[in-house]
Amino acid sequence: GESVGLHLPTLSVQEGDNSIINCAYSNSASDYFIWYKQESGKGPQFIIDIRSNMDKRQGQRVTVLLNKTVKHLSLQIAATQPGDSAVYFCAAGRGYSTLTFGKGTMLLVSP
Amino acid sequence: GAGVSQSPSNKVTEKGKDVELRCDPISGHTALYWYRQSLGQGLEFLIYFQGNSAPDKSGLPSDRFSAERTGGSVSTLTIQRTQQEDSAVYLCASSLNGGSEETQYFGPGTRLLVL
Repeated sequence: GESVGLHLPTLSVQEGDNSIINCAYSNSASDYFIWYKQESGKGPQFIIDIRSNMDKRQGQRVTVLLNKTVKHLSLQIAATQPGDSAVYFCAAGRGYSTLTFGKGTMLLVSP
Repeated sequence: GAGVSQSPSNKVTEKGKDVELRCDPISGHTALYWYRQSLGQGLEFLIYFQGNSAPDKSGLPSDRFSAERTGGSVSTLTIQRTQQEDSAVYLCASSLNGGSEETQYFGPGTRLLVL
């Protein structure tokens, strides 16, 4: 099976800093990884995904890094803004019907 | 519609009662997913509908849980004889064709509290 964990339950940063949120997965057969953002009272929102044939993928202000050797995934947010405050969680699996979701890291951005 | 909608947004019920949760997916989306998000836990997959295919019910935790999708659109998740451990946020998501790497769009969830 798959277990997905996050390294820190809460991450506090100052506005403008870069944020790094980490995630570990257990199943080496997982080949698809997703990061979600969930604001209070709302459903999860897709941020970025990456397949196992890649080790880095960039979006707008976000970068996902995948290290398959140590089964580690990270989300980097550049120039963090107060609007980035939310819970971030990762998911790993072999497509949506097999995803296992992490519990989440709460990102707190201070102005 | 503009996005996935769910109703009710909040539901408080007494232990032993049945509840029905509704999901309206994005118009034209053929795939629909139900998840459960318990306090402090990650999302737990419950059930997946794709077009007219038989649903993937592998995530349903017990036979008290069931779901239907009528006309390939609206879905209802039913929990019979609710228990306190059923208290959670129930999230619905839809995607265009249910492809393994298609983006899912989530609704705001129904917060269920079983007293």
